[in-house]
Amino acid sequence: GAGVSQSPSNKVTEKGKDVELRCDPISGHTALYWYRQRLGQGLEFLIYFQGNSAPDKSGLPSDRFSAERTGESVSTLTIQRTQQEDSAVYLCASSLLAGARVLTFGAGSRLTVL
Amino acid sequence: AQKITQTQPGMFVQEKEAVTLDCTYDTSDPSYGLFWYKQPSSGEMIFLIYQGSYDQQNATEGRYSLNFQKARKSANLVISASQLGDSAMYFCAMRLNTGTASKLTFGTGTRLQVTL
Repeated sequence: GAGVSQSPSNKVTEKGKDVELRCDPISGHTALYWYRQRLGQGLEFLIYFQGNSAPDKSGLPSDRFSAERTGESVSTLTIQRTQQEDSAVYLCASSLLAGARVLTFGAGSRLTVL
Repeated sequence: AQKITQTQPGMFVQEKEAVTLDCTYDTSDPSYGLFWYKQPSSGEMIFLIYQGSYDQQNATEGRYSLNFQKARKSANLVISASQLGDSAMYFCAMRLNTGTASKLTFGTGTRLQVTL
């Protein structure tokens, strides 16, 4: 596609429910990243995919968070048993190659946990 | 561990004037890159400018320039001839050239308001 597409754009859920956030990177981009942005804060790195493998998962805050990528395209970030502190905007970015200077970001998925 | 500090939570500038957004960084790695991103109210992050730690000249991209002072570990963004469309959040970020490719560490951002 023309840009990085994320869905849903907004998600409100109840504490304890599971949520899935989806990212469609730019076609042909091999590298994909997930970041989290809490209100009033900068972005925090969560996980990086090169192709379908994840060489760096160091930013995932707990084992309730997981992500996968299939077919070197779509990625899904799953948060199990959501907590109120998971409320944030989750941003996905992609780049043609790992180490590329420019990442293209999506508009994000805003998650609100009640 | 690397850290980015942006001390200005908000800035105002009049249209057509220049403005400087401050950024300092901390790392013990000698090889790194510094980035500035713009985040309008729509939410997406837009890449503006890049400076490598070994670059001799300050980076420029149109109305954007990066005032890189390596000894002071500062990488301030200068926007010349401000326009109303420049109103947005601006984030400074750093990437080490070791470890995860393109893993960026961000500051907390500066909200810029351009006024008439």
